[in-house]
Amino acid sequence: GENVEQHPSTLSVQEGDSAVIKCTYSDSASNYFPWYKQELGKRPQLIIDIRSNVGEKKDQRIAVTLNKTAKHFSLHITETQPEDSAVYFCAAKATGKLIFGQGTTLQVKP
Amino acid sequence: NAGVTQTPKFRVLKTGQSMTLLCAQDMNHEYMYWYRQDPGMGLRLIHYSVGEGTTAKGEVPDGYNVSRLKKQNFLLGLESAAPSQTSVYFCASSFPLAGVIYEQYFGPGTRLTVT
Repeated sequence: GENVEQHPSTLSVQEGDSAVIKCTYSDSASNYFPWYKQELGKRPQLIIDIRSNVGEKKDQRIAVTLNKTAKHFSLHITETQPEDSAVYFCAAKATGKLIFGQGTTLQVKP
Repeated sequence: NAGVTQTPKFRVLKTGQSMTLLCAQDMNHEYMYWYRQDPGMGLRLIHYSVGEGTTAKGEVPDGYNVSRLKKQNFLLGLESAAPSQTSVYFCASSFPLAGVIYEQYFGPGTRLTVT
């Protein structure tokens, strides 16, 4: 069935370092890949997304890359700041819905 | 706009009791979703709806029922609550653009405890 695997489950970095989170998906028909950020006690919110006809997308310190052949996509955060600490979820579009990864808890140490 | 709202915010049930969670959105979105979130399990889809009067099963539908009688509301029912249904429940809605974009807007969540 449709599945999204996300790694690592936890990630700890020093402030100013980069963080990378990786996801793989199973449905070759998926054509939309969003990333959500969830702060403690809050709701998930979209931070960046990419469509299958694009290989990379950037928004300030955040970038997402997509390799359709290998069926994996990654989130890159540069110059991390303490406020980047949160749980990050990747997702892949299936018919009428999104399939979410298990989440990555990112801790940015000051 | 209020966006996506959920009622109630917190609830404690005893095993075997029933309850209904209400999700409402004022963005005229076609699609609505119910997820549960458990530690280390991510967001798991319970049921979803692609339009008024339609519903479909997600990954973990057992023990839950849903109804979408009005476009702006999506109800999640637990007929006989079990401790395994202790979780945080999120509702979300989306409006597909050109059949591709599925940005989902989430409600604030409902924390349910079943004792």
